Amino acid sequence: SQTIHQWPATLVQPVGSPLSLECTVEGTSNPNLYWYRQAAGRGLQLLFYSVGIGQISSEVPQNLSASRPQDRQFILSSKKLLLSDSGFYLCASTGTSGAGELFFGEGSRLTVL
Amino acid sequence: GQQVMQIPQYQHVQEGEDFTTYCNSSTTLSNIQWYKQRPGGHPVFLIQLVKSGEVKKQKRLTFQFGEAKKNSSLHITATQTTDVGTYFCAGSSSNTGKLIFGQGTTLQVKP
Repeated sequence: SQTIHQWPATLVQPVGSPLSLECTVEGTSNPNLYWYRQAAGRGLQLLFYSVGIGQISSEVPQNLSASRPQDRQFILSSKKLLLSDSGFYLCASTGTSGAGELFFGEGSRLTVL
Repeated sequence: GQQVMQIPQYQHVQEGEDFTTYCNSSTTLSNIQWYKQRPGGHPVFLIQLVKSGEVKKQKRLTFQFGEAKKNSSLHITATQTTDVGTYFCAGSSSNTGKLIFGQGTTLQVKP
């Protein structure tokens, strides 16, 4: 079965510092990969998605970026964090069934102070 | 752009009461998915509906996809405390790889 690994699980960073969140997927190949952000008590905002290595689509203008250096690796980065970047970041992958359902990682909770 | 709206945002029910959340899209959807997120957890896939007018059941949960494929609903019969969490609908309108989530409905169940 498919497993999504995300790290770090919790992160507290000062404003202006860089960010790197990593996501790796096991149990599938050539998945579509996604980064979502969830503010406290809110819905899921799609940030980036990727249909293949090096292919990134951005959904919202912001100071975040994403990269997919390997088929099952997806990285979310920032050069300078803002207070508004605080939130719960979720990596997701499509599954092996081809039905399009998403499997989510455990999430990374980022607090920017 | 595509928008998926979900209501209500919050619902408090007494254990044993029924619960329904509604999902509406600004565009025709190719499919609708439903997810459940327990407090402090991550969303977990529940079901996918593809056909116009489709109805699917999972024990006490009933999922419907509208005839026009622009709306959907999730109905829980006789809620239990284990049903607590946030229920999200998510839809895609084309083969772009994008799945847009609604804002979610957070369900609280009083024992």
